[in-house]
Amino acid sequence: NAGVTQTPKFQVLKTGQSMTLQCAQDMNHNSMYWYRQDPGMGLRLIYYSASEGTTDKGEVPNGYNVSRLNKREFSLRLESAAPSQTSVYFCASRESAYGYTFGSGTRLTVV
Amino acid sequence: AQSVTQLDSHVSVSEGTPVLLRCNYSSSYSPSLFWYVQHPNKGLQLLLKYTSAATLVKGINGFEAEFKKSETSFHLTKPSAHMSDAAEYFCVVSDLTSGTYKYIFGTGTRLKVLA
Repeated sequence: NAGVTQTPKFQVLKTGQSMTLQCAQDMNHNSMYWYRQDPGMGLRLIYYSASEGTTDKGEVPNGYNVSRLNKREFSLRLESAAPSQTSVYFCASRESAYGYTFGSGTRLTVV
Repeated sequence: AQSVTQLDSHVSVSEGTPVLLRCNYSSSYSPSLFWYVQHPNKGLQLLLKYTSAATLVKGINGFEAEFKKSETSFHLTKPSAHMSDAAEYFCVVSDLTSGTYKYIFGTGTRLKVLA
């Protein structure tokens, strides 16, 4: 089915470990986004990529890096995980000025 | 800068009674506004969107929202709540200033439906 696919769905890390969250879309969208969701704070933008080959910081980029590998894939990397990065992470791609498609999320716990 | 404020973090209604979830926005431009719903441990589903056409927007599952420029509001309503409406609802404004159409989320309203 067409859409945005995120892997893994769940992950537990120890403080200081690194990992990469994967995101792929098959809708030929130019723009892709990474958000984190925390209770009482809504979703906050971490990084985005307006087009292949470009990335920009969002509201909460500290502690993260991203790679826009090609038009389909946009990965989020935690180099040294911290408990404050415990969150649910959503990837999205934009189909027009008026609509995003979201992935199903990655629930990350850092202990 | 654009922003949205959801005025209630929690709303409780009885099944069969009306639902009102309030959202105010701030924008220097004519905004695009959205409501999303998130059921427990699920992803985000688009309920409806306002894109400068009709001010009364109808969405899925009987929800609708009215864009009121004079009040800078975009409240979500439903005439009769159903148990399946229990979820978290997010009001969203699209940031057009940078040309990147970033979504700016409100902090969410958790709707509880009582039997």
